[in-house]
Amino acid sequence: QITLKESGPTLVKPTQTLTLTCTFSGFSLSTSGVGVVWIRQPPGKALEWLALIYWDDDKRYSPSLKSRLTITKDTSKNQVVLTMTNMDPVDTATYFCAHGTSNTYYRPAKWGQGTLVTVSS
Amino acid sequence: QTVVTQEPSFSVSPGGTVTLTCGLSSGSVSASYYPSWYQQTPGQPPRTLIYSTNARSSGVPDRFSGSILGNKAALTITGAQADDESDYYCVLYMGSGIWVFGGGTELTVL
Repeated sequence: QITLKESGPTLVKPTQTLTLTCTFSGFSLSTSGVGVVWIRQPPGKALEWLALIYWDDDKRYSPSLKSRLTITKDTSKNQVVLTMTNMDPVDTATYFCAHGTSNTYYRPAKWGQGTLVTVSS
Repeated sequence: QTVVTQEPSFSVSPGGTVTLTCGLSSGSVSASYYPSWYQQTPGQPPRTLIYSTNARSSGVPDRFSGSILGNKAALTITGAQADDESDYYCVLYMGSGIWVFGGGTELTVL
């Protein structure tokens, strides 16, 4: 059974760097064809795809946020970390991580419950 | 910047049929975008309904179906039920591992 759980600060100040951790079970990120995706959703608004890390450590980023995002993995800990620099109130959102596989082009399939991050001074 | 378009809101009567669409601000949606559909209720993560245009996710009732209609992807709900009242999101594959979500459709069943 695949499960994912997001963790990190609930409140960050503008200009700070956000670090979120996705801890998962039921799969290994060292297995060929597996990936973890980050998605966010501002309150009352739409979903936004952010980043993907592949089993082989290749990475993809949303073009509009690429300069601010870094995604990394720690296979031994079954964790994926997303950092977002220069946080702004518009980055207030629920941040989700999700599991994806190559047979569906790493579409976010199994999602965590999400973690709400508020950006405010 | 690619924009994926969805109707902001839709209404359907109980037992009725509704078709939600997913388009592109520029161009047509085809199967090569592997359109997928999610259902989301408040406070919950999205749940996959349909992937790769018309493949139903495990446990999803067959009254949910996906297709390409004209130049858009479509999600059809046949025999709408009260608990279908949710937000529905489509997502399209842009290549190189990148997906883009639509703005979502708020479906009301009344």
